[in-house]
Amino acid sequence: GAGVSQSPSNKVTEKGKDVELRCDPISGHTALYWYRQSLGQGLEFLIYFQGNSAPDKSGLPSDRFSAERTGGSVSTLTIQRTQQEDSAVYLCASSLGGQGSGYTFGSGTRLTVV
Amino acid sequence: GQQLNQSPQSMFIQEGEDVSMNCTSSSIFNTWLWYKQDPGEGPVLLIALYKAGELTSNGRLTAQFGITRKDSFLNISASIPSDVGIYFCAGRQGTYKYIFGTGTRLKVLA
Repeated sequence: GAGVSQSPSNKVTEKGKDVELRCDPISGHTALYWYRQSLGQGLEFLIYFQGNSAPDKSGLPSDRFSAERTGGSVSTLTIQRTQQEDSAVYLCASSLGGQGSGYTFGSGTRLTVV
Repeated sequence: GQQLNQSPQSMFIQEGEDVSMNCTSSSIFNTWLWYKQDPGEGPVLLIALYKAGELTSNGRLTAQFGITRKDSFLNISASIPSDVGIYFCAGRQGTYKYIFGTGTRLKVLA
């Protein structure tokens, strides 16, 4: 597509439920990133996918968080047993993957855990 | 997670004024990026810097890659109301991962 597409744009869930957030990167972009932005904060790195290489999961805050990237394209971020502190905007970005490539971000999914 | 120090955290300025913000770290970076985020949107890339000392302009925006490689600066000249938003710096250390600053929230008074 023309840009990075994320869905849903907003998600309200009850504490303890599982949620899935979807990211559709720009066609041809081999690198895909997930970041989390808490209210009034900067962007916190979560996970990185590059082609068929093993993902860099070093930013995932707990084992309740996981992500997949199927076929080198669409990615799903899953949060199990959601907690109130998981409330944030989850941003996906993609890039061509070369050194120094800037990211193109999606509009994010605003997750609210009640 | 690790974040860069960005200052000021927020600023109110009059339309037409020039704006300066900076980003500092104790670590060396290979690339610096500057992004702007509008409410409800993802950040949009403004300027990319690849060499120490590099000075790059994009319209009314000018950014510099600090000579020590530990800092970067963004200047906006003759600000207009649509400049309002949050400005983030991002620095790259390894091959692919960027560390983001804490953001500068800019408000322009007409």
